[in-house]
Amino acid sequence: DGGITQSPKYLFRKEGQNVTLSCEQNLNHDAMYWYRQDPGQGLRLIYYSQIVNDFQKGDIAEGYSVSREKKESFPLTVTSAQKNPTAFYLCASSIGSLAGVGETQYFGPGTRLLVL
Amino acid sequence: QQQVKQSPQSLIVQKGGIPIINCAYENTAFDYFPWYQQFPGKGPALLIAIRPDVSEKKEGRFTISFNKSAKQFSLHIMDSQPGDSATYFCAASDSGGSQGNLIFGKGTKLSVKP
Repeated sequence: DGGITQSPKYLFRKEGQNVTLSCEQNLNHDAMYWYRQDPGQGLRLIYYSQIVNDFQKGDIAEGYSVSREKKESFPLTVTSAQKNPTAFYLCASSIGSLAGVGETQYFGPGTRLLVL
Repeated sequence: QQQVKQSPQSLIVQKGGIPIINCAYENTAFDYFPWYQQFPGKGPALLIAIRPDVSEKKEGRFTISFNKSAKQFSLHIMDSQPGDSATYFCAASDSGGSQGNLIFGKGTKLSVKP
């Protein structure tokens, strides 16, 4: 059963705490992405990775960090520096920019992060 | 230059109506225009996509119309059903660019009344 999984579905963060959101894909895609979704704001790109061991900042990277040690995994850490972390976080993947084709992105089910 | 402007923000139609959602862009290098459908609490799912070499593409009840000279594209949903109630996002990318990242519109919340 191919696809993208995100865990947990809900996550609670305390003041000053770092939390990590998991994203795994078994689609054999090279590129992976993290988006933040707030009501009325659409999808805003946090970080993206086109290949293992490489990643780039998106439009709103401050307060977040990522790693890409394996092709199938792209975890996102929301650090204590992110002062307004409450949002719906979406992970996506695509075949890869190097393929030179229109980038169809496939999304996971999302993680809702709430601050206690 | 990198923005995709989507309208309206919300839309209410009766069952059987034809909601139309519009998007406009500035970057003439954009050459891939997908639409995503998102239900509450779920991730977006690709609905239909178009490239600038065609002016219209239809898949089932969903049609994209594309106007290259006006730099606009729109989604039409024929014979809309209550099950179509969702948020719809348009997006655009420059597939020949170094990243090919999608630029998303802010979304349209569609409600189809029975």
